[in-house]
Amino acid sequence: GAGVSQTPSNKVTEKGKYVELRCDPISGHTALYWYRQSLGQGPEFLIYFQGTGAADDSGLPNDRFFAVRPEGSVSTLKIQRTERGDSAVYLCASSLEAGGNEQFFGPGTRLTVL
Amino acid sequence: GNSVTQMEGPVTLSEEAFLTINCTYTATGYPSLFWYVQYPGEGLQLLLKATKADDKGSNKGFEATYRKETTSFHLEKGSVQVSDSAVYFCALKSSGTYKYIFGTGTRLKVLA
Repeated sequence: GAGVSQTPSNKVTEKGKYVELRCDPISGHTALYWYRQSLGQGPEFLIYFQGTGAADDSGLPNDRFFAVRPEGSVSTLKIQRTERGDSAVYLCASSLEAGGNEQFFGPGTRLTVL
Repeated sequence: GNSVTQMEGPVTLSEEAFLTINCTYTATGYPSLFWYVQYPGEGLQLLLKATKADDKGSNKGFEATYRKETTSFHLEKGSVQVSDSAVYFCALKSSGTYKYIFGTGTRLKVLA
């Protein structure tokens, strides 16, 4: 596709459940980023991939959060034992190269934990 | 640490009014500065950017000048349209890093 896509667009789950959020970056973009946007706030950095490896996961809030990018393209953000405080919009972005000065954002996945 | 502060919204203007949305930053070194826009139901889109002091970014009638002396990157437009109604985010990226630091966003509503 032409842009970054994310699925699902909305996810409602119950406290304690496991969820996976998917991101398809722009074809050919080597760098991929995950951000989290809480209501009324700007996006906050979670993790950055260069190729298949997580180059910086310092923004992940705790060890319930994990992300993979096994083939250097699609990425999955995984959240175990979800909590109500995890409710937010999860944004994925990609850039042509590491440190590129323009990140292209997907539409986000709105996660609601009941 | 690095941070971005932008004016709180919502900002409500009549069509053709002049727009200013203030943004100031705290960062070491020489960050790159950005304005992103989020239209209703859509993802964040880059509106404009500036990578060094005194640079002016411009796009779609919007402008912002990188002012290192005042650590500011205020967004301006001379005549807003209803279609400019959106949430605007100021962001920075420090040199040698790859993650953006965003402000909290400013919602703009333009009335016909």
